[in-house]
Amino acid sequence: NAGVTQTPKFRVLKTGQSMTLLCAQDMNHEYMYWYRQDPGMGLRLIHYSVGEGTTAKGEVPDGYNVSRLKKQNFLLGLESAAPSQTSVYFCASSGDRDRPFGELFFGEGSRLTVL
Amino acid sequence: AQSVTQLDSQVPVFEEAPVELRCNYSSSVSVYLFWYVQYPNQGLQLLLKYLSGSTLVKGINGFEAEFNKSQTSFHLRKPSVHISDTAEYFCAVTNRDDKIIFGKGTRLHILP
Repeated sequence: NAGVTQTPKFRVLKTGQSMTLLCAQDMNHEYMYWYRQDPGMGLRLIHYSVGEGTTAKGEVPDGYNVSRLKKQNFLLGLESAAPSQTSVYFCASSGDRDRPFGELFFGEGSRLTVL
Repeated sequence: AQSVTQLDSQVPVFEEAPVELRCNYSSSVSVYLFWYVQYPNQGLQLLLKYLSGSTLVKGINGFEAEFNKSQTSFHLRKPSVHISDTAEYFCAVTNRDDKIIFGKGTRLHILP
């Protein structure tokens, strides 16, 4: 049972390039989240989804887009990368509509560097 | 909107001594509260959660936390720490609108 899998785990981009981070979960969870982690800032919510076909903005959504076309996948896109987006990105998923506020299951993180 | 404040960015403590990591939250409505731990170069994992009921919550690895509604706090405690507890600890809150907001984290340093 893989849980939450993020790809890629490492990526270096040049300013202005685009890329997509993929998050896949095999637990049939309804809720999926994308966070970024920066030193001294904790985890900040970028976007989240409460079910297939839905997305919503979190605390720091600017410069990012997301899609949830399939229940098991949550994609995070950077259309034009900036050095300020250098960070470690974490995907998480949780429960179902009957127990939406249980445990968050996290991926191992994706380290992105924008030069 | 809800928010979380972790009052200490770093906490040094001697091995086998007790520790308390502080967390305060703000929200205009009822909340659910969580503590997560992140070991070096890993993702986060749940330590414990408060959803309702008893205000004293016990979690994994000997940790516990107490929900105090009047002080809007959810402090994490352990009576005797071990070197393996070295990690970063995050408090998180949701007011049930589906967003889960994290604090900035507290690094726990265990001194020999």
